[in-house]
Amino acid sequence: GQQLNQSPQSMFIQEGEDVSMNCTSSSIFNTWLWYKQDPGEGPVLLIALYKAGELTSNGRLTAQFGITRKDSFLNISASIPSDVGIYFCAGGHTGKLIFGQGTTLQVKP
Amino acid sequence: GAGVSQTPSNKVTEKGKYVELRCDPISGHTALYWYRQSLGQGPEFLIYFQGTGAADDSGLPNDRFFAVRPEGSVSTLKIQRTERGDSAVYLCASSFDPQSYNEQFFGPGTRLTVL
Repeated sequence: GQQLNQSPQSMFIQEGEDVSMNCTSSSIFNTWLWYKQDPGEGPVLLIALYKAGELTSNGRLTAQFGITRKDSFLNISASIPSDVGIYFCAGGHTGKLIFGQGTTLQVKP
Repeated sequence: GAGVSQTPSNKVTEKGKYVELRCDPISGHTALYWYRQSLGQGPEFLIYFQGTGAADDSGLPNDRFFAVRPEGSVSTLKIQRTERGDSAVYLCASSFDPQSYNEQFFGPGTRLTVL
C-alpha cells in the first residue's frame, strides 16, 4: 500500500541533543499527524496539523505542515531518555491515514 | 475517560481457521478505523466506519477480510481461512469527527499469529 517517505530511518543521539525528522509525499494531504509508538503498544498522538504552513508546539515537540501540503517535519528539543521509541508521520485524506515507515529514536543517557 | 480497547491482546491460530478481533472505541466517537501493522512498518489502512456503515473499505486485502459495526459502537474484524501472511498487529482507532478533524486515537492492538 501507499506509504509516506520518512527520514531518517533511525537515530542514535546523546541526551540533551535536539532531533529533527521529516516526511514527504507525492500526494497532497489535508492533515498531518505525528505519533509515537512504544513496543507492544498502539501509536500515541503527539501533534496534529490542519493548515498548510502551520507550526504547532507541544512541550518540547514542534511540528510544521509544509506549504506544498506534501511534507511535514517534527523537532524534539533537549531529548530525554523517555523520548526513545518509534515516531510515525501520517497524512490524512478522506478519513483514512497514510503512515510513514517510522523513525526509530534511541537516546543515550 | 477510557481509551480504545481491543480484545484479545494476542491470538494464535492455525492456518485455515476463522478469527474475530474486537474493538471498543472511545465513547462518543462516531468514526472507527482498522489498520494492520507488520513488523518494522507503519500501520496500513484497512477499513473505516462512520456510524454503522463502512465509509471506505478500500484497504481490505481480499474477501477473506470483513468488518462490522452493527450498532455504531463496537466493531469486529473477521478473517476467514487465515493464512500465515495474515500474521500482524491489528490496530483499531477512533475519532470524534473525521470530516473536521482527523485526530485518530489508537488502541493497543491485537497481535495475530497464524501458524
